[in-house]
Amino acid sequence: TQLLEQSPQFLSIQEGENLTVYCNSSSVFSSLQWYRQEPGEGPVLLVTVVTGGEVKKLKRLTFQFGDARKDSSLHITAAQPGDTGLYLCAALPFGNEKLTFGTGTRLTIIP
Amino acid sequence: NAGVTQTPKFRILKIGQSMTLQCTQDMNHNYMYWYRQDPGMGLKLIYYSVGAGITDKGEVPNGYNVSRSTTEDFPLRLELAAPSQTSVYFCASSRSGTGRTGELFFGEGSRLTVL
Repeated sequence: TQLLEQSPQFLSIQEGENLTVYCNSSSVFSSLQWYRQEPGEGPVLLVTVVTGGEVKKLKRLTFQFGDARKDSSLHITAAQPGDTGLYLCAALPFGNEKLTFGTGTRLTIIP
Repeated sequence: NAGVTQTPKFRILKIGQSMTLQCTQDMNHNYMYWYRQDPGMGLKLIYYSVGAGITDKGEVPNGYNVSRSTTEDFPLRLELAAPSQTSVYFCASSRSGTGRTGELFFGEGSRLTVL
């Protein structure tokens, strides 16, 4: 059973469009992170959210942690080819020291 | 700016062979991790270490062994390689444990194929 489900699994859109990807679970988490991974490289941390309802912005990227701490979304405004990559969410269940990763959303931005 | 360095980047093994994936970090991080990444399956934790001399199992430890004799190095050993171990392996380190929302720093990965 996958603890963290990410959707969509694949997304291909034109440069300049907006998009949202999701990370969902039936479990409650103490914190959640988003990573981006480019081909041939390891994941790189984008953001950590720790409070239910929290919204963080990183330039054109907006991250939200659900009020119930079970889900998160990543919204990209005016997507650019440099946004192409695999987006992974990773969450920490309460009382557990081990980070759990989602299955990932593979995003392709077409110039 | 080395960060986390993994070797080798690519390796092909025959069934039953053994090998060691090397991982070293120069950030003086106490916490180190080994993950495997299979297509469409995200990252699965194999083993982790909270400091030199201390290791513990993750989600998928079977078929693997680790040691942590120094802060810098965290090698992963595969004994009796099996096709199910074909994967991309990532080593990571963090200043604090992930239980404190610590950032993971990853190496570039080691792609292993077992035939």
